[in-house]
Amino acid sequence: SQQGEEDPQALSIQEGENATMNCSYKTSINNLQWYRQNSGRGLVHLILIRSNEREKHSGRLRVTLDTSKKSSSLLITASRAADTASYFCATDVSEGAQKLVFGQGTRLTINP
Amino acid sequence: DVKVTQSSRYLVKRTGEKVFLECVQDMDHENMFWYRQDPGLGLRLIYFSYDVKMKEKGDIPEGYSVSREKKERFSLILESASTNQTSMYLCASSLSGPEGSYEQYFGPGTRLTVT
Repeated sequence: SQQGEEDPQALSIQEGENATMNCSYKTSINNLQWYRQNSGRGLVHLILIRSNEREKHSGRLRVTLDTSKKSSSLLITASRAADTASYFCATDVSEGAQKLVFGQGTRLTINP
Repeated sequence: DVKVTQSSRYLVKRTGEKVFLECVQDMDHENMFWYRQDPGLGLRLIYFSYDVKMKEKGDIPEGYSVSREKKERFSLILESASTNQTSMYLCASSLSGPEGSYEQYFGPGTRLTVT
């Protein structure tokens, strides 16, 4: 089942620019999470935002959540070459579910 | 730091072989997960375990089974490997609680090729 869907599928920007990725989902959630995956490796957790939160920051990352629109965005400011990776949103469903459903990801390329 | 390890980074097996993929976590997490990742399809959940000897089917359990005899170890078994099971397999673990999902910690992945 596909819960979260990221947009765009691929994004290429210059180093120093900001990158914005969006995620839409279909059902009610407890939490939404963002993960990063460098090529051929496991995923690394970036941020978890709860359904009663609207915005969260972590270093150069800013995540927003709009539960009325069932959407989230991940903003990376002042991008660096090391930010080149795939970014996934993942959602759980309500009622204490422990499982996550991942989107297909946005492939971000930072050009020097 | 949480560490999730997988038994192999790369594995090549023949069609019909029984394949075991092992995953070990060192943070006493209750939940463990097996995913497969394919281009254009993202991560899909194969099986989920919320306690020792407890398991729950994910979205694509067909052709797979799992075993969790100890809390730290979660094994994925391909009973009779087929070429359509060629994929990247990712294991993850997380805490468990009443407020929904927690952060998942992933292993480095096993790239399985079935010939």
